[in-house]
Amino acid sequence: QVQLQESGPGLVKPSETLSLTCRVSGYSISSGYYWGWIRQPPGKELEWIGSINHSGNTYYNPSLKSRVTMSVDTSTNQFSLKLSSVTAADTAVYYCARDFGSGSYNKYYFDYWGQGTLVTVSS
Amino acid sequence: SYELTQPPSVSVSPGQTARITCSGDALPKQYAHWYQQKPGQAPVLVIYKHSERPSGIPERFSGSSSGTIVTLTISGVQAEDEADYYCQSADSSGSYKVFGGGTKLTVL
Repeated sequence: QVQLQESGPGLVKPSETLSLTCRVSGYSISSGYYWGWIRQPPGKELEWIGSINHSGNTYYNPSLKSRVTMSVDTSTNQFSLKLSSVTAADTAVYYCARDFGSGSYNKYYFDYWGQGTLVTVSS
Repeated sequence: SYELTQPPSVSVSPGQTARITCSGDALPKQYAHWYQQKPGQAPVLVIYKHSERPSGIPERFSGSSSGTIVTLTISGVQAEDEADYYCQSADSSGSYKVFGGGTKLTVL
């Protein structure tokens, strides 16, 4: 069974960088697929942030691309998210998920999700 | 930016059929997927590639597609189906994922 677990600070100051890590168990990141980050502000809809594969190839949401950096560490079976210059608008539950599919990337979907972690941006 | 449009809410009585729509200009060429989210929980995939059902998802969940509209159908709705439902697809280039605004399903 694939399991994902997010970790990182629950409180970040405005203008600083949000950093989260997702630990994957039950599946080796090196075996394939993409690995994504999705966020959900309190009471609002889901928003895709971006996805990365084991080779470091990335797809980012154009609206966040200038502030997002994703990385992968196959030795620890983890992948990470950095979001710079955060504001209160970045307060959300952040989920990591397996971005699963075959063939072209447009066919991929999220089949396993972490439980999510709330990150609050406040001074 | 590309958008997927869902009705904010749908209400049905137990045992009836619920239909939740999702519209988007790129849907004729991009697959749609559906997620169920209950309060305080992570989303769960219930339909992928328009109409495929993951293992463990009840047969009462089905999906269909017609032009720029995709539909999630829940037949014989049960109280446990009350949740928010999100469609997800890609823009016309296929490199940008997008979620719909979500539909709150209320079981009366």
